[in-house]
Amino acid sequence: DTEVTQTPKHLVMGMTNKKSLKCEQHMGHRAMYWYKQKAKKPPELMFVYSYEKLSINESVPSRFSPECPNSSLLNLHLHALQPEDSALYLCASSQTRGREEQYFGPGTRLTVT
Amino acid sequence: GESVGLHLPTLSVQEGDNSIINCAYSNSASDYFIWYKQESGKGPQFIIDIRSNMDKRQGQRVTVLLNKTVKHLSLQIAATQPGDSAVYFCAEFGGYQKVTFGTGTKLQVIP
Repeated sequence: DTEVTQTPKHLVMGMTNKKSLKCEQHMGHRAMYWYKQKAKKPPELMFVYSYEKLSINESVPSRFSPECPNSSLLNLHLHALQPEDSALYLCASSQTRGREEQYFGPGTRLTVT
Repeated sequence: GESVGLHLPTLSVQEGDNSIINCAYSNSASDYFIWYKQESGKGPQFIIDIRSNMDKRQGQRVTVLLNKTVKHLSLQIAATQPGDSAVYFCAEFGGYQKVTFGTGTKLQVIP
């Protein structure tokens, strides 16, 4: 199984809502990542978890809160988002945290109204 | 040909021809590079990688060339097929876990 799954596929939320994005992998990977991708732009790294610990936060606003409950799951909790946060949110995983292939999920298309 | 403007740079090639997609990377300390393919509505998909101690690596129908002197990476696709139509990104691995994606090139294959 070389798949990273993400739910939901699409999400529309108001600026006062609280929602969560979920990511799961069963490849035994110990590094997991959140990226944000705007239309016609490259993915931008947001967070990296390594062995269930947050190792990189790329100065992401606190309205985005990541969580790694176990080595297979990665969540992104959303609260009080702005319309400019609308984007495709991609999850990825890799074996460890070194120079190696990252496997990407299909993403969650988020629209903030 | 190529066009650069407000949209993604686009490369249009005839089916069966070879494609060359270029990428300029920014960090001279980057020591690992990946080419990804992203189709509409999907996440990026790994194509091929190369480490900085190499200057060429070949896969099935794809070749990556690395020129560290000018910080340039290229992806060559042989006998381009309609299924190759997608956006292609290079990604460079620089400092500790730091990965940065290039701006991307849209490849359009003309049947």
